[in-house]
Amino acid sequence: QKEVEQNSGPLSVPEGAIASLNCTYSDRGSQSFFWYRQYSGKSPELIMSIYSNGDKEDGRFTAQLNKASQYVSLLIRDSQPSDSATYLCAVTPYSGNTGKLIFGQGTTLQVKP
Amino acid sequence: NAGVTQTPKFQVLKTGQSMTLQCAQDMNHNSMYWYRQDPGMGLRLIYYSASEGTTDKGEVPNGYNVSRLNKREFSLRLESAAPSQTSVYFCASSEEGGRAFNQPQHFGDGTRLSIL
Repeated sequence: QKEVEQNSGPLSVPEGAIASLNCTYSDRGSQSFFWYRQYSGKSPELIMSIYSNGDKEDGRFTAQLNKASQYVSLLIRDSQPSDSATYLCAVTPYSGNTGKLIFGQGTTLQVKP
Repeated sequence: NAGVTQTPKFQVLKTGQSMTLQCAQDMNHNSMYWYRQDPGMGLRLIYYSASEGTTDKGEVPNGYNVSRLNKREFSLRLESAAPSQTSVYFCASSEEGGRAFNQPQHFGDGTRLSIL
């Protein structure tokens, strides 16, 4: 079992729709969760961080965390073609405060005009 | 505000050659990391440095060495390059050190390395 799992996609949504990206993780002790966006040929860029159960909203992005189900998701409202990218879920393992992250393989999102 | 700077951006090596990838951050971060990214494999941690003066192995350390030169700089060395080390290498940093929750990592632009 992979430590952080994401559906590789591609996930295709029409412009203006809600894109829902999902991630599951295996380490129950994980405390910190991040979503990164990576455009083709570019470096990962932080979109959201979430540390407690529930929803966290930032503009068109909402991160959702459910520690009991070991599940974290990212919703993108009013999707735009510029949102087309690979979205990486990252989780800190329960191994002390080293800052290490375990990344999922990423989900490729395609927003069609 | 430069953030995390990596050099070089591109490099082609022959099998057996050595080289050092450089990384520097200007955010006064304690922790620094080296990743490699291969198609279908995601980002895999090679080495990390939780604080100045310490380094630890990550998921895929074989064939690499690192040096935390000072708080700003963290270099990655390939002693004898192999075609399997062809990849995109990313350096990252984060503000760690005694916090209850981990802080996000900030990435450099990457080094695209090809080994023939």
